[in-house]
Amino acid sequence: AQSVAQPEDQVNVAEGNPLTVKCTYSVSGNPYLFWYVQYPNRGLQFLLKYITGDNLVKGSYGFEAEFNKSQTSFHLKKPSALVSDSALYFCAVGTRNSGGYQKVTFGTGTKLQVIP
Amino acid sequence: GAGVSQSPRYKVAKRGQDVALRCDPISGHVSLFWYQQALGQGPEFLTYFQNEAQLDKSGLPSDRFFAERPEGSVSTLKIQRTQQEDSAVYLCASSSDRDQPQHFGDGTRLSIL
Repeated sequence: AQSVAQPEDQVNVAEGNPLTVKCTYSVSGNPYLFWYVQYPNRGLQFLLKYITGDNLVKGSYGFEAEFNKSQTSFHLKKPSALVSDSALYFCAVGTRNSGGYQKVTFGTGTKLQVIP
Repeated sequence: GAGVSQSPRYKVAKRGQDVALRCDPISGHVSLFWYQQALGQGPEFLTYFQNEAQLDKSGLPSDRFFAERPEGSVSTLKIQRTQQEDSAVYLCASSSDRDQPQHFGDGTRLSIL
């Protein structure tokens, strides 16, 4: 079985400061890793993914994430937070199953609050 | 439209009624997923379609839940004899390829009274 842990329910950061949202995962085999963002009353919006290749992945809106296989982590980072980054962030892990598609498991989410 | 479209956005039903939720995926997307998102939680997988074939329905909570995608495009999630515990946001997602990310609709918020 695969799982994702987001240990922080909420992260507060001052505008302009760097931010990190933590994620660790558990999966058999090679993982597909994703970060999504959700604004109130909206669906999830894709930010970035890791499937293979460079451990540092760059995504939308200046976000990036680092895949660390030894620590089974995929933390989301941004060098300088904006107030508009305030939202709910979900980490997700997937594997290619026997049917040839990704079955994705989401974490419980981390609320990011950027303080002006 | 350019994105995944879900309707209705909000649905209120009395316990015991049947409901139908619609998902219109991005044109040409082969894969379609349904998720259930409870308040304060991440989305939970319900079912997966590849074109018109339902390849995985392991996440459907009970036999009251039924999904179809008869022509490989629009999908409907039907819940029969609704219960209060069915209250949640139901999200639909589609993707073009097995290695591509899923694109989500804005969901249907279902409230069972």
